Amino acid sequence: QSVLTQPPSVSAAPGQKVTISCSGSSSNIGHSHVSWYQQLTGTAPKLLIYDNNKRPSGIPDRFSGSKSGTSATLGITGLQTGDEADYYCGTWDSSLSAVVFGGGTKLTVL
Amino acid sequence: EVQLLESGGGLVQPGGSLRLSCAASGFTFSSYAMNWVRQAPGKGLEWVSGTRDSTSNTHYADSVKGRFTISRDNSKNTLYLQMNSLRAEDTAVYYCAKVMANYYEALDYWGQGTLVTVSS
Repeated sequence: QSVLTQPPSVSAAPGQKVTISCSGSSSNIGHSHVSWYQQLTGTAPKLLIYDNNKRPSGIPDRFSGSKSGTSATLGITGLQTGDEADYYCGTWDSSLSAVVFGGGTKLTVL
Repeated sequence: EVQLLESGGGLVQPGGSLRLSCAASGFTFSSYAMNWVRQAPGKGLEWVSGTRDSTSNTHYADSVKGRFTISRDNSKNTLYLQMNSLRAEDTAVYYCAKVMANYYEALDYWGQGTLVTVSS
């Protein structure tokens, strides 16, 4: 049981937009910045979004993040087959004194 | 170019010990917090432990507290994870990850991972 809650799977057609939600509480998302990671099959996770909505260098602007209260959302526009991956949200939980992740969302581009 | 290279994984019996290493290059290792994150086969990411720029400031997941110890040797640019009293549920790929400056929850570089299998 993950501290942060994500939908197990989402799907959309190429070229479309998809959003992935991440729900937490006042001790984690409500108290800290949210990051998002992409994990392609068989590879290490890659940072997509940090500080709720900032993109590291090299991450295309098709990827966006937002946060409101104790929830966060990852948006991906112009879906490509190469976007098929598992996506994880993460943040710091002040009650646990720990980094916490969501359970992950598998994105399928139909 | 930032590189993180984990080593030390392998097969160990329940109750045994293992020490993982993560050799870092391409950045000023001593200036950054570092974390260990693991992923059991077919499962999601689980944060294991983290250390700020010195080993005096460390954090652990409840699942490993008292059994695992994170440390770092800034003179060797290396992060370690000493794992004792290993259990079957510790079986996972273990990643070391660099923490982004000023954002302790953001892990901006990851190693390729090293597999730890706990089994008799």
